[in-house]
Amino acid sequence: GQSLEQPSEVTAVEGAIVQMNCTYQTSGFYGLSWYQQHDGGAPTFLSYNALDGLEETGRFSSFLSRSDSYGYLLLQELQMKDSASYFCDRGYQKVTFGTGTKLQVIP
Amino acid sequence: DTAVSQTPKYLVTQMGNDKSIKCEQNLGHDTMYWYKQDSKKFLKIMFSYNNKELIINETVPNRFSPKSPDKAHLNLHINSLELGDSAVYFCASSQDHPRLGSGANVLTFGAGSRLTVL
Repeated sequence: GQSLEQPSEVTAVEGAIVQMNCTYQTSGFYGLSWYQQHDGGAPTFLSYNALDGLEETGRFSSFLSRSDSYGYLLLQELQMKDSASYFCDRGYQKVTFGTGTKLQVIP
Repeated sequence: DTAVSQTPKYLVTQMGNDKSIKCEQNLGHDTMYWYKQDSKKFLKIMFSYNNKELIINETVPNRFSPKSPDKAHLNLHINSLELGDSAVYFCASSQDHPRLGSGANVLTFGAGSRLTVL
């Protein structure tokens, strides 16, 4: 079965903050990566958490809690161009992506 | 220069035909992958090669045959195409070996090849 779970869709308002969650099974885990994919485009790497805590890169932050088998991607000051699908990956043996969260940013 | 390039970008064909998709990366990476993304946007790994050696072979029909002539190229040949093969196929590469690397194993993806089987 699917070892990474993500909500299927999230809608947020331009300028707001949105959090997209990812829960995973602990069997085989190195760290949590996040990828962004715009409609019709290719996935592109956003961030990676090997250790617990928050990693920040500009408007994007990613969080990991190994004890909870949980992580999230936080987007601040949302822009229309952030509308895309966001995938998490647990980076073990093979790169297996979560089901992805489709983020829609509305005016 | 495109880091990971795959051709063709679009492919429309009849059921039962045989087709190939080519992929090349100029990043000097050791590992290459093929992914299938269906209409529900689920990204599923199909194959992975490290230095021309097959290291990941998921449960994929044997109508799908990857070939890696060198570590910069990974092609995908599909025999006897079926309607269910319609999808976007992504090639990707990474520096890390997915079974040994404990780092981010960052993937760089090609633009995708949209296959439509009629």
